[in-house]
Amino acid sequence: AQSVTQLDSHVSVSEGTPVLLRCNYSSSYSPSLFWYVQHPNKGLQLLLKYTSAATLVKGINGFEAEFKKSETSFHLTKPSAHMSDAAEYFCVVTVAGGTSYGKLTFGQGTILTVHP
Amino acid sequence: KAGVTQTPRYLIKTRGQQVTLSCSPISGHRSVSWYQQTPGQGLQFLFEYFSETQRNKGNFPGRFSGRQFSNSRSEMNVSTLELGDSALYLCASSLEAAGNYGYTFGSGTRLTVV
Repeated sequence: AQSVTQLDSHVSVSEGTPVLLRCNYSSSYSPSLFWYVQHPNKGLQLLLKYTSAATLVKGINGFEAEFKKSETSFHLTKPSAHMSDAAEYFCVVTVAGGTSYGKLTFGQGTILTVHP
Repeated sequence: KAGVTQTPRYLIKTRGQQVTLSCSPISGHRSVSWYQQTPGQGLQFLFEYFSETQRNKGNFPGRFSGRQFSNSRSEMNVSTLELGDSALYLCASSLEAAGNYGYTFGSGTRLTVV
């Protein structure tokens, strides 16, 4: 079984300040972890992925995330927020085994608001 | 290269009717999965297909079904529509079933049941 908890439903930052979106996961097997972003009325865009290689993962648009197995966390960060970052962000887990094979499990989402 | 294409983009159906949604994956991708997105339940897994075989299924009633063709295109069907089936239905494709390459999502089909 696998699950994802996004610790904040809403995060508000000022433009130019750091962004931190928090995610904890649970899985019975070695996980693959992803962050996706969804802009209003749009589909989901992959920001970055962790698949058991380097624990610090760099993604698009200046985002990065660190996989911490001991803390079962995969937090998303960005040094400096831009207005265009305002969107909903989803932390996602999948595993290549058991009954969860091929299934993505999504967190409930974090809405990021960026103030000028 | 072309992304994941979902048709139609919008649908309005009446309770009791059935509906078929289509998904064309990225060329070369053999894994296709379907998700339902609603404000109350978030994104929920419907089913996943790999090389025409359903590998996994979510906790949805039997009214929800799907299939995958030899060219990897996939369809999902919902019979006897209910108001609660109103949602954004998203399709995602991946190079292989384990998802290590990540999943690319289509723009979705917005289904409204009246």
